[in-house]
Amino acid sequence: ETGVTQSPTHLIKTRGQQVTLRCSSQSGHNTVSWYQQALGQGPQFIFQYYREEENGRGNFPPRFSGLQFPNYSSELNVNALELDDSALYLCASSSTGHEQYFGPGTRLTVT
Amino acid sequence: GQNIDQPTEMTATEGAIVQINCTYQTSGFNGLFWYQQHAGEAPTFLSYNVLDGLEEKGRFSSFLSRSKGYSYLLLKELQMKDSASYLCAVHQGGKLIFGQGTELSVKP
Repeated sequence: ETGVTQSPTHLIKTRGQQVTLRCSSQSGHNTVSWYQQALGQGPQFIFQYYREEENGRGNFPPRFSGLQFPNYSSELNVNALELDDSALYLCASSSTGHEQYFGPGTRLTVT
Repeated sequence: GQNIDQPTEMTATEGAIVQINCTYQTSGFNGLFWYQQHAGEAPTFLSYNVLDGLEEKGRFSSFLSRSKGYSYLLLKELQMKDSASYLCAVHQGGKLIFGQGTELSVKP
């Protein structure tokens, strides 16, 4: 148990819809990173938030957006869902920016 | 560009030793992580190497050579529960760049 929680656990959406995924970071951690993991692949960095500001972004289109709240919890929003967005979405929290603790993930299926 | 390579699959026998290699070419480098991931679960931290050399932690050891862009994870006294995917990740400016993972199967 890392103390990082994510909701929901599983989600099924239709192409074109919008989705919001949530993450509660470990107590004392002020940095949250989001990753997308397709089946059989390693996680791909989406973006990172530090003290409510975006602090780095991977190679994902603008329809992937996020927020971090004053309590350091975070949301990942994806608009105009595409079939290729089907994946496991992981959030990871950290305090020093080094060791990242991963949550259990949200399995998103787009049909 | 960013490139991290690991073997896709490996098989080993219970009680044996296995070495999982990782080579990387990245534009920045702060350190190298190894994570273990069981199917359907989140990655869990195994080791973090910043300097060259071997870090030992129980049955798991990790080695780094920055000049060669090379790391390996060594698992000793393999157990059935070690069957999992092992992810190599370069730490770069706060973000992690992952390889595709090595699926390890431990056979009796």
